[in-house]
Amino acid sequence: GAVVSQHPSWVICKSGTSVKIECRSLDFQATTMFWYRQFPKQSLMLMATSNEGSKATYEQGVEKDKFLINHASLTLSTLTVTSAHPEDSSFYICSARDILAGGWEQYFGPGTRLTVT
Amino acid sequence: GENVEQHPSTLSVQEGDSAVIKCTYSDSASNYFPWYKQELGKRPQLIIDIRSNVGEKKDQRIAVTLNKTAKHFSLHITETQPEDSAVYFCAPRVNQGGKLIFGQGTELSVKP
Repeated sequence: GAVVSQHPSWVICKSGTSVKIECRSLDFQATTMFWYRQFPKQSLMLMATSNEGSKATYEQGVEKDKFLINHASLTLSTLTVTSAHPEDSSFYICSARDILAGGWEQYFGPGTRLTVT
Repeated sequence: GENVEQHPSTLSVQEGDSAVIKCTYSDSASNYFPWYKQELGKRPQLIIDIRSNVGEKKDQRIAVTLNKTAKHFSLHITETQPEDSAVYFCAPRVNQGGKLIFGQGTELSVKP
């Protein structure tokens, strides 16, 4: 149980275009999901906390108008990178916690590798 | 905000030796302390975790120890094997919001 999926697994887009990444909890409900970004040979940096039915909470330094987050249902959160630039190329990973199960573990998606040309 | 420091950044050991990685954190309200293993291009994989009411936890060759007073916790791997080679992250949970803050990572290399 407790599986998180992401789509797409990789995407290449041109500079200036927008890209949407989906994060789904497949077998549990997630009122809260988290979005991370990881550059090569670096750690995971938390970008924002996605809350179902309300606005996301962004970490300091993350542009909320550039990284649009929507958490419209208990099993789906989306991250849209708007007007993407080459410096946005990174590995984007989401995670979620099965709060109803009472566990503390966060379950991570497989990640989405974004390349902006 | 939470400040997390992880040491060492790289660690090379001979197969069969032990490896220890230390993580210090700043938020005294942190109450959940996981360790993750990440292989290249893959998602982080939880290998062991501990809650703030416990001082030590062991799972076969892996153990975690927690010192809440000093605000640090450590990962211990015994009888290391080449397949233990990966990057390891600590990620203490910040009580507010339940988010995990990742350390800088430790690249462990186990030489046969």
